[in-house]
Amino acid sequence: DTAVSQTPKYLVTQMGNDKSIKCEQNLGHDTMYWYKQDSKKFLKIMFSYNNKELIINETVPNRFSPKSPDKAHLNLHINSLELGDSAVYFCASSSGAGSYEQYFGPGTRLTVT
Amino acid sequence: AQTVTQSQPEMSVQEAETVTLSCTYDTSENNYYLFWYKQPPSRQMILVIRQEAYKQQNATENRFSVNFQKAAKSFSLKISDSQLGDTAMYFCAFMKNYGGGADGLTFGKGTHLIIQP
Repeated sequence: DTAVSQTPKYLVTQMGNDKSIKCEQNLGHDTMYWYKQDSKKFLKIMFSYNNKELIINETVPNRFSPKSPDKAHLNLHINSLELGDSAVYFCASSSGAGSYEQYFGPGTRLTVT
Repeated sequence: AQTVTQSQPEMSVQEAETVTLSCTYDTSENNYYLFWYKQPPSRQMILVIRQEAYKQQNATENRFSVNFQKAAKSFSLKISDSQLGDTAMYFCAFMKNYGGGADGLTFGKGTHLIIQP
């Protein structure tokens, strides 16, 4: 039973395309996040959602749009992909109350050619 | 804004040795959490240990322990009896405590730890 799952695990696409990465958690958590890990392994928060409401929106190009259809899902849609978007994208979730541990998904490696 | 600094890009030790990874942070917050995450080559992010800033006692999880110095804003990780499976990237991370738990983690740049047989 995977706690936080992401699909796909690998995504190769061309510049200018639009793509989505899906994230689902079966932990019953209220809060979900997207992080980006660049080629130098640096991890940075992009977005966080609490009960389907956007809480954090770091300085991210507006080509990136998170969508939370329900508390268990947080998808990331990227328009007009650029070479610099190549990275590993991690989804995470936390209960947000009492325990602040974030559970990470396996990551999606996005390669833009 | 807070920053997290890991000054050791890479470390290498022999199996069974003890190793300490350094982390310093800068914040004006008084209520926060600190974490060490491990990322093996599989790229899965694994929580190693967590420390609440209001607790003076250093956290311990089996072979892993921290030295938390709040005044110095230092949070080092000690791995005792290191094992080959400890080879990984280790990230120090900071999170403000707003009570709602929706804040994101601020990560350091990581330390690549290599355990030699």
